[in-house]
Amino acid sequence: AQSVTQPDIHITVSEGASLELRCNYSYGATPYLFWYVQSPGQGLQLLLKYFSGDTLVQGIKGFEAEFKRSQSSFNLRKPSVHWSDAAEYFCAVGISNFGNEKLTFGTGTRLTIIP
Amino acid sequence: DAGVIQSPRHEVTEMGQEVTLRCKPISGHDYLFWYRQTMMRGLELLIYFNNNVPIDDSGMPEDRFSAKMPNASFSTLKIQPSEPRDSAVYFCASSLKRLNNEQFFGPGTRLTVL
Repeated sequence: AQSVTQPDIHITVSEGASLELRCNYSYGATPYLFWYVQSPGQGLQLLLKYFSGDTLVQGIKGFEAEFKRSQSSFNLRKPSVHWSDAAEYFCAVGISNFGNEKLTFGTGTRLTIIP
Repeated sequence: DAGVIQSPRHEVTEMGQEVTLRCKPISGHDYLFWYRQTMMRGLELLIYFNNNVPIDDSGMPEDRFSAKMPNASFSTLKIQPSEPRDSAVYFCASSLKRLNNEQFFGPGTRLTVL
């Protein structure tokens, strides 16, 4: 079965600093990969997704992620964080298996921004 | 479009009572998903529908939970009887066509069972 690991439960970054959130997946084939963001009291919003093609994917709010097949990773990056980026971030892997299609989410990484 | 609509936003009930959560997906979306989010277990898929038909309910925790989708614009998740361990935020999401499309999440229903 597919799985997603986000090794960092909580990350604190200074405003203006760069950010990298880690995500590793386990799946036999190339999966669909997603990053979602959840602000407090809100539902999840899609930041970006990867299905095929260019392994560097650009998303909303200045985020990007790079798919590395050899490392089974899909890390999220941002060159300079803003206070409004404080939220919880979820990596997800999607599989399609005999008509059963669903996402499996990681446990999330909570991002705190300090001035 | 108003996005995915969930009601109520907050529900407080007593153990043993029946709870019904409601969801209106985005018009035209073929897939509807119910998730549960807790601190201990994170975000879990409970069940999802395709064209109003339940496809995978393997995440439904036990027989006390049931979900229906009588038409393309409405779904319910029912817990009967409710227990304190059911306290969580329940999200509904919908998506267009197949898996490689974005899932749009509703704002969630925060359920507290006393």
